[in-house]
Amino acid sequence: DAGVIQSPRHEVTEMGQEVTLRCKPISGHDYLFWYRQTMMRGLELLIYFNNNVPIDDSGMPEDRFSAKMPNASFSTLKIQPSEPRDSAVYFCASSLQPLSSYNEQFFGPGTRLTVL
Amino acid sequence: GNSVTQMEGPVTLSEEAFLTINCTYTATGYPSLFWYVQYPGEGLQLLLKATKADDKGSNKGFEATYRKETTSFHLEKGSVQVSDSAVYFCALIDNAGNMLTFGGGTRLMVKP
Repeated sequence: DAGVIQSPRHEVTEMGQEVTLRCKPISGHDYLFWYRQTMMRGLELLIYFNNNVPIDDSGMPEDRFSAKMPNASFSTLKIQPSEPRDSAVYFCASSLQPLSSYNEQFFGPGTRLTVL
Repeated sequence: GNSVTQMEGPVTLSEEAFLTINCTYTATGYPSLFWYVQYPGEGLQLLLKATKADDKGSNKGFEATYRKETTSFHLEKGSVQVSDSAVYFCALIDNAGNMLTFGGGTRLMVKP
């Protein structure tokens, strides 16, 4: 298996533009997680899905952020409009159901977003 | 709520030195504990885990023992290598949740 796949790996955009980050989880994994990593705040969970349904989006910073999972093999995280403070590395992760000590959470390589 | 506290970095060591990265936690019940490692430019990878008190997780020369009495899960390695330079995250899952709670991460820099 190729592992969790994220695209693009790097994104540079201007303030006010729409940004879409993409994730393909490991086949057969029922849980998908979106994280944001910054120097100031560390690793933050934004939202997670179970069987394509959003379960907890309490970590989504504001209405400019939205996430979808139209099918078991694809998820998007969208920021509209983007702001410089959104600059971060965004990770996608997936795991088997249920997440536990026996079911590891696998991380993608991340998307480094820079908003100018 | 759950929380994980790690020592702040960076930790800078010479090759073959002994490593300790402290981690303490607060959680309900009996959580499972993890160490993840993030190499430069990559995502997090599971390094080791322990699921109950007094368990010792080990991998690649690293080890950590689940100490319930001190609510700690310190990471140790007897002789670090330059290739161990990375950011290390302590994390937990409690009995009720489906989410990992991460510490802030500790950057390790090993010099030749």
